[in-house]
Amino acid sequence: SQTIHQWPATLVQPVGSPLSLECTVEGTSNPNLYWYRQAAGRGLQLLFYSVGIGQISSEVPQNLSASRPQDRQFILSSKKLLLSDSGFYLCAWAGTGGSYEQYFGPGTRLTVT
Amino acid sequence: RKEVEQDPGPFNVPEGATVAFNCTYSNSASQSFFWYRQDCRKEPKLLMSVYSSGNEDGRFTAQLNRASQYISLLIRDSKLSDSATYLCVVRGAGGSYIPTFGRGTSLIVHP
Repeated sequence: SQTIHQWPATLVQPVGSPLSLECTVEGTSNPNLYWYRQAAGRGLQLLFYSVGIGQISSEVPQNLSASRPQDRQFILSSKKLLLSDSGFYLCAWAGTGGSYEQYFGPGTRLTVT
Repeated sequence: RKEVEQDPGPFNVPEGATVAFNCTYSNSASQSFFWYRQDCRKEPKLLMSVYSSGNEDGRFTAQLNRASQYISLLIRDSKLSDSATYLCVVRGAGGSYIPTFGRGTSLIVHP
């Protein structure tokens, strides 16, 4: 069966510090991968998605970036965090067989201080 | 008009009640529809896909009305454990990889 891992679970970082969040998927090949952010009490905001290694599409302009160095690895990064980057970061995968159902990782709760 | 709209609630119902949520979408060419459940401070989890003919999974029934562009979720015999936020998700046409999430409807089931 497929599983998706994210780490760390929680993170407290000062403004201006770098960020690296990692997501890995097991049990599937060539998944579509997604990064979302959910601010407190708000809906899900799609940040990036990827349909293959090295293929990244950005949905909103921001100081974040994403990379997909391997088929089942998706990384979210920032060189300098802002206070507004605080939130709940969720990685998700979806198959490419036509169902388009998304499955989410446990998330990383980021607080920028 | 927002792409996917949901009544934020909260819907406050007693145990055993039947409750229904609607979700409207703006893109008439949308092809795939889902309901997710999100518990407080947790990730969303797929509750059920919504099929054209409607589908049922235990106490949960999902319906699609393409003419009026809405989907619905009916929960029968509500349990305390059903308390959560229910997210409506719509995927566009043309093989789009991008789903659109509603902001969610909060359900509180009380004793």
